[in-house]
Amino acid sequence: GAGVSQSPSNKVTEKGKDVELRCDPISGHTALYWYRQRLGQGLEFLIYFQGNSAPDKSGLPSDRFSAERTGESVSTLTIQRTQQEDSAVYLCASSSISGPFTDTQYFGPGTRLTVL
Amino acid sequence: TQLLEQSPQFLSIQEGENLTVYCNSSSVFSSLQWYRQEPGEGPVLLVTVVTGGEVKKLKRLTFQFGDARKDSSLHITAAQPGDTGLYLCAGPTSGTYKYIFGTGTRLKVLA
Repeated sequence: GAGVSQSPSNKVTEKGKDVELRCDPISGHTALYWYRQRLGQGLEFLIYFQGNSAPDKSGLPSDRFSAERTGESVSTLTIQRTQQEDSAVYLCASSSISGPFTDTQYFGPGTRLTVL
Repeated sequence: TQLLEQSPQFLSIQEGENLTVYCNSSSVFSSLQWYRQEPGEGPVLLVTVVTGGEVKKLKRLTFQFGDARKDSSLHITAAQPGDTGLYLCAGPTSGTYKYIFGTGTRLKVLA
Protein backbone atom coordinates (compact mmCIF):
# COMPACT_ATOMS: atom_id res chain seq x y z
CA GLY A 1 0.00 0.00 0.00
CA ALA A 2 0.97 3.63 -0.32
CA GLY A 3 3.12 5.24 2.32
CA VAL A 4 3.04 8.79 3.61
CA SER A 5 3.31 11.32 0.81
CA GLN A 6 4.23 14.98 1.02
CA SER A 7 4.04 17.78 -1.47
CA PRO A 8 5.78 19.68 -2.80
CA SER A 9 9.09 17.88 -2.45
CA ASN A 10 10.93 21.18 -2.77
CA LYS A 11 9.74 24.73 -2.26
CA VAL A 12 11.75 27.89 -2.80
CA THR A 13 10.11 31.09 -1.67
CA GLU A 14 10.96 34.68 -0.95
CA LYS A 15 11.11 36.08 2.53
CA GLY A 16 7.73 37.37 3.62
CA LYS A 17 5.65 35.03 1.44
CA ASP A 18 3.25 32.44 2.81
CA VAL A 19 3.75 28.73 2.06
CA GLU A 20 1.51 25.70 2.44
CA LEU A 21 2.89 22.20 2.82
CA ARG A 22 0.74 19.11 2.38
CA CYS A 23 0.83 15.66 3.96
CA ASP A 24 -1.21 12.60 2.96
CA PRO A 25 -0.95 10.00 5.73
CA ILE A 26 -1.34 6.25 5.45
CA SER A 27 -5.02 5.38 5.20
CA GLY A 28 -6.47 4.42 8.57
CA HIS A 29 -3.75 6.05 10.65
CA THR A 30 -5.36 8.17 13.32
CA ALA A 31 -2.23 10.02 14.45
CA LEU A 32 -0.29 12.55 12.41
CA TYR A 33 2.87 14.45 13.31
CA TRP A 34 4.77 17.36 11.80
CA TYR A 35 8.50 17.82 12.47
CA ARG A 36 11.14 20.28 11.33
CA GLN A 37 14.69 19.16 10.56
CA ARG A 38 17.35 21.78 10.10
CA LEU A 39 20.42 20.86 8.07
CA GLY A 40 22.47 18.18 9.80
CA GLN A 41 20.30 18.13 12.90
CA GLY A 42 17.71 15.94 14.57
CA LEU A 43 13.95 16.33 14.36
CA GLU A 44 12.09 19.11 16.13
CA PHE A 45 8.46 18.34 17.07
CA LEU A 46 5.95 20.87 15.75
CA ILE A 47 2.41 19.54 16.13
CA TYR A 48 0.49 16.29 16.74
CA PHE A 49 -3.04 15.33 15.69
CA GLN A 50 -4.88 12.33 17.13
CA GLY A 51 -8.36 11.52 15.87
CA ASN A 52 -10.89 14.15 16.88
CA SER A 53 -8.91 15.34 19.89
CA ALA A 54 -7.56 18.85 20.09
CA PRO A 55 -4.11 18.93 18.46
CA ASP A 56 -0.97 19.30 20.55
CA LYS A 57 0.47 22.54 19.16
CA SER A 58 3.13 22.96 21.82
CA GLY A 59 6.02 22.66 19.36
CA LEU A 60 4.98 25.39 16.94
CA PRO A 61 7.80 27.98 17.12
CA SER A 62 5.68 31.08 16.53
CA ASP A 63 2.18 32.23 15.60
CA ARG A 64 3.31 32.33 11.97
CA PHE A 65 3.01 28.55 11.98
CA SER A 66 -0.34 26.76 11.86
CA ALA A 67 -1.61 23.36 10.83
CA GLU A 68 -4.93 21.76 10.05
CA ARG A 69 -6.10 18.23 9.52
CA THR A 70 -9.28 17.17 7.78
CA GLY A 71 -10.73 14.28 9.77
CA GLU A 72 -8.19 11.48 9.69
CA SER A 73 -6.81 12.35 6.27
CA VAL A 74 -4.76 15.10 4.70
CA SER A 75 -2.97 17.73 6.77
CA THR A 76 -1.56 21.09 5.76
CA LEU A 77 1.17 23.06 7.52
CA THR A 78 1.07 26.78 6.77
CA ILE A 79 3.91 29.19 7.42
CA GLN A 80 3.01 32.84 7.08
CA ARG A 81 5.47 35.65 6.35
CA THR A 82 8.35 33.20 5.94
CA GLN A 83 11.76 34.06 7.35
CA GLN A 84 15.15 32.72 6.37
CA GLU A 85 15.38 30.75 9.61
CA ASP A 86 12.33 28.77 8.47
CA SER A 87 14.51 27.06 5.86
CA ALA A 88 14.53 23.37 6.71
CA VAL A 89 13.06 20.01 5.76
CA TYR A 90 9.53 19.59 7.06
CA LEU A 91 8.66 15.97 7.76
CA CYS A 92 5.24 14.45 8.28
CA ALA A 93 4.61 11.10 9.95
CA SER A 94 1.51 9.05 10.63
CA SER A 95 0.85 6.16 12.97
CA SER A 96 -1.82 3.86 14.34
CA ILE A 97 -1.46 3.70 18.08
CA SER A 98 -0.23 0.21 19.01
CA GLY A 99 0.37 0.48 22.73
CA PRO A 100 0.68 2.80 25.71
CA PHE A 101 2.70 5.74 24.42
CA THR A 102 4.51 3.49 21.99
CA ASP A 103 3.79 3.64 18.32
CA THR A 104 5.53 3.24 14.99
CA GLN A 105 5.71 6.45 13.05
CA TYR A 106 5.88 6.17 9.27
CA PHE A 107 7.55 9.19 7.74
CA GLY A 108 7.10 10.86 4.42
CA PRO A 109 10.11 11.99 2.36
CA GLY A 110 9.74 15.57 3.54
CA THR A 111 9.41 18.97 1.92
CA ARG A 112 12.62 20.93 1.62
CA LEU A 113 11.80 24.61 2.16
CA THR A 114 14.27 27.29 1.16
CA VAL A 115 13.51 30.90 2.04
CA LEU A 116 15.59 33.39 0.08
CA THR B 1 12.53 19.49 29.82
CA GLN B 2 13.38 16.04 28.54
CA LEU B 3 16.38 15.90 26.23
CA LEU B 4 18.11 13.10 24.35
CA GLU B 5 21.79 13.53 23.61
CA GLN B 6 23.59 11.27 21.17
CA SER B 7 27.26 10.51 20.82
CA PRO B 8 29.32 10.56 18.80
CA GLN B 9 27.88 13.20 16.50
CA PHE B 10 29.89 11.92 13.51
CA LEU B 11 31.53 8.58 12.85
CA SER B 12 33.52 7.46 9.83
CA ILE B 13 34.79 3.89 9.84
CA GLN B 14 36.06 1.19 7.51
CA GLU B 15 33.89 -1.68 6.34
CA GLY B 16 34.09 -4.59 8.78
CA GLU B 17 34.69 -2.51 11.91
CA ASN B 18 32.41 -2.51 14.94
CA LEU B 19 30.86 0.62 16.46
CA THR B 20 28.58 1.78 19.24
CA VAL B 21 26.30 4.80 19.28
CA TYR B 22 24.91 6.17 22.53
CA CYS B 23 21.68 7.94 23.44
CA ASN B 24 21.58 9.52 26.91
CA SER B 25 19.14 11.47 29.01
CA SER B 26 18.76 12.61 32.60
CA SER B 27 15.05 11.72 32.35
CA VAL B 28 13.28 8.37 32.45
CA PHE B 29 11.52 7.28 29.28
CA SER B 30 8.76 4.69 29.06
CA SER B 31 10.30 3.51 25.79
CA LEU B 32 13.00 4.51 23.34
CA GLN B 33 13.15 4.05 19.61
CA TRP B 34 15.97 4.01 17.08
CA TYR B 35 15.51 5.27 13.51
CA ARG B 36 17.81 5.40 10.50
CA GLN B 37 17.50 8.18 7.95
CA GLU B 38 19.07 8.20 4.51
CA PRO B 39 19.59 11.38 2.45
CA GLY B 40 16.39 12.73 0.93
CA GLU B 41 14.18 10.34 2.88
CA GLY B 42 12.28 10.30 6.14
CA PRO B 43 13.51 8.27 9.13
CA VAL B 44 12.65 4.57 9.25
CA LEU B 45 12.03 2.81 12.55
CA LEU B 46 14.58 0.12 13.42
CA VAL B 47 13.47 -0.92 16.89
CA THR B 48 11.49 0.01 20.00
CA VAL B 49 12.76 -0.95 23.46
CA VAL B 50 10.35 -0.77 26.37
CA THR B 51 11.82 -2.69 29.34
CA GLY B 52 14.80 -1.58 31.39
CA GLY B 53 17.78 -3.79 30.58
CA GLU B 54 16.17 -5.07 27.39
CA VAL B 55 18.42 -6.19 24.55
CA LYS B 56 17.12 -6.58 21.01
CA LYS B 57 19.00 -7.83 17.98
CA LEU B 58 18.30 -7.04 14.36
CA LYS B 59 20.81 -8.95 12.23
CA ARG B 60 24.14 -7.17 12.89
CA LEU B 61 22.53 -4.46 15.03
CA THR B 62 22.17 -4.85 18.80
CA PHE B 63 20.07 -2.40 20.80
CA GLN B 64 20.13 -2.07 24.58
CA PHE B 65 17.89 -0.09 26.93
CA GLY B 66 19.53 0.97 30.18
CA ASP B 67 18.32 -0.55 33.44
CA ALA B 68 17.07 2.85 34.63
CA ARG B 69 15.45 3.58 31.24
CA LYS B 70 17.46 6.78 30.84
CA ASP B 71 19.81 5.65 28.09
CA SER B 72 20.18 3.32 25.15
CA SER B 73 22.91 2.09 22.86
CA LEU B 74 23.13 0.77 19.34
CA HIS B 75 26.00 -1.56 18.48
CA ILE B 76 26.77 -2.51 14.88
CA THR B 77 28.98 -5.52 14.21
CA ALA B 78 31.02 -5.72 11.01
CA ALA B 79 29.65 -2.49 9.55
CA GLN B 80 28.75 -2.43 5.86
CA PRO B 81 28.51 0.57 3.48
CA GLY B 82 24.75 0.03 3.49
CA ASP B 83 24.71 0.98 7.18
CA THR B 84 25.64 4.55 6.23
CA GLY B 85 23.06 7.08 7.39
CA LEU B 86 21.81 9.28 10.20
CA TYR B 87 20.85 7.32 13.31
CA LEU B 88 18.30 8.94 15.59
CA CYS B 89 16.96 7.89 18.97
CA ALA B 90 13.50 9.07 20.05
CA GLY B 91 11.20 8.77 23.02
CA PRO B 92 7.72 9.87 24.13
CA THR B 93 7.66 12.73 26.62
CA SER B 94 6.07 12.34 30.03
CA GLY B 95 3.33 9.89 29.20
CA THR B 96 2.25 11.42 25.92
CA TYR B 97 2.56 10.60 22.25
CA LYS B 98 4.68 13.71 21.69
CA TYR B 99 8.08 12.38 20.69
CA ILE B 100 11.42 14.07 21.14
CA PHE B 101 14.35 13.10 18.97
CA GLY B 102 18.02 12.96 19.76
CA THR B 103 20.62 15.11 18.08
CA GLY B 104 21.58 12.26 15.74
CA THR B 105 24.73 10.33 14.84
CA ARG B 106 25.87 10.55 11.26
CA LEU B 107 27.61 7.30 10.29
CA LYS B 108 29.69 6.77 7.17
CA VAL B 109 31.05 3.31 6.39
CA LEU B 110 33.81 3.27 3.82
CA ALA B 111 34.26 0.32 1.48
